[in-house]
Amino acid sequence: SAVISQKPSRDICQRGTSLTIQCQVDSQVTMMFWYRQQPGQSLTLIATANQGSEATYESGFVIDKFPISRPNLTFSTLTVSNMSPEDSSIYLCSVDDTGYAGYTFGSGTRLTVV
Amino acid sequence: QKEVEQDPGPLSVPEGAIVSLNCTYSNSAFQYFMWYRQYSRKGPELLMYTYSSGNKEDGRFTAQVDKSSKYISLFIRDSQPSDSATYLCAMSAYSGAGSYQLTFGKGTKLSVIP
Repeated sequence: SAVISQKPSRDICQRGTSLTIQCQVDSQVTMMFWYRQQPGQSLTLIATANQGSEATYESGFVIDKFPISRPNLTFSTLTVSNMSPEDSSIYLCSVDDTGYAGYTFGSGTRLTVV
Repeated sequence: QKEVEQDPGPLSVPEGAIVSLNCTYSNSAFQYFMWYRQYSRKGPELLMYTYSSGNKEDGRFTAQVDKSSKYISLFIRDSQPSDSATYLCAMSAYSGAGSYQLTFGKGTKLSVIP
């Protein structure tokens, strides 16, 4: 399965600032997925990032708040903009290298907004 | 009713016990059924997947799917302290254009006590 490197692993940020999370995959993949994991909640898909096109956002998530870049087939970034304490969560990138959505996940970014 | 229901626990068992983890679902379109294991401060790791009703065994782990009852289970035999983690069920349904949509349960936190 693919190996995903995600960074930073954790950060503490001031409200109103932005944080960019990077995700590097060791193989070329068509789609990359960004998830949010809040305590006591299911993993929630934020958006799907395709190389060469705009990311597709799920209901409740908007590009102004979570801009995504996908410059090539092995790399993607997610920015959490104008952060508030409600954005404190774990953010995960993932790829589907199985064909049936058996995703491989990065180790996650634990974000705390103060 | 949520699409996937999973008891969050926590579940605490003595070493060597048989563990049973369960999820129910409501969407008949789900085709693949997966179990992920997530250690603290790590991303989810795909443990097992099944496609049809029945049992699938991998070492100490057995995944069971009953599509008629919309119920899936993961059994862990001879549980070890190293099995202590959060276990997430996940299910995927074909969403068109060669891709699958993945839906997660909230996860069950398991502690195996030596």
